[in-house]
Amino acid sequence: NAGVTQTPKFQVLKTGQSMTLQCAQDMNHNSMYWYRQDPGMGLRLIYYSASEGTTDKGEVPNGYNVSRLNKREFSLRLESAAPSQTSVYFCASRRGPDSGNIQYFGAGTRLSVL
Amino acid sequence: KQEVTQIPAALSVPEGENLVLNCSFTDSAIYNLQWFRQDPGKGLTSLLLIQSSQREQTSGRLNASLDKSSGRSTLYIAASQPGDSATYLCAVGSGAGSYQLTFGKGTKLSVIP
Repeated sequence: NAGVTQTPKFQVLKTGQSMTLQCAQDMNHNSMYWYRQDPGMGLRLIYYSASEGTTDKGEVPNGYNVSRLNKREFSLRLESAAPSQTSVYFCASRRGPDSGNIQYFGAGTRLSVL
Repeated sequence: KQEVTQIPAALSVPEGENLVLNCSFTDSAIYNLQWFRQDPGKGLTSLLLIQSSQREQTSGRLNASLDKSSGRSTLYIAASQPGDSATYLCAVGSGAGSYQLTFGKGTKLSVIP
């Protein structure tokens, strides 16, 4: 099993450009999450999807949109990138209480906005 | 709002020492607490998860404890090795109906050969 797969691994954008970060999991998990990690700030939740067809805002949703395309895939879109969105983005998934609520993380996407 | 604090921010120890990493949280209404390891430039690897009804969990040389009433958890690493060098993150799981993790900023551990 690949677990949680994120693409791309690295990306450089110019201010104002748009892009979509892709995330897919092959563990049949119900819930999926997007986090950003910044130096000195720790990981902060951007958006999450508790189950297929639902999405909710996390702590830092401004400037982002998400789509839960199906049970496997959860994408994060930056419509008009800003330098403040330079960060490392992590996707995670979780099956639910029957598996102890353990979250499994992808390897991350390193994004620079110039 | 749940807040998670990890002390110290960085720790350097000689190989073979036993060590303790600390995590505290402000809201004791939690479902569980999870310890992760993060290597430079990599994603997060789950080490241990303690349910709110449990006091501790063990995996190999790692032992995590939870005192929910006082809002504290510790990660004990026995007989440290250079391969243990990484950043260790504590995350608290909570949220009625919409489970979420709140992370601390991590402790960067260096084990010196």
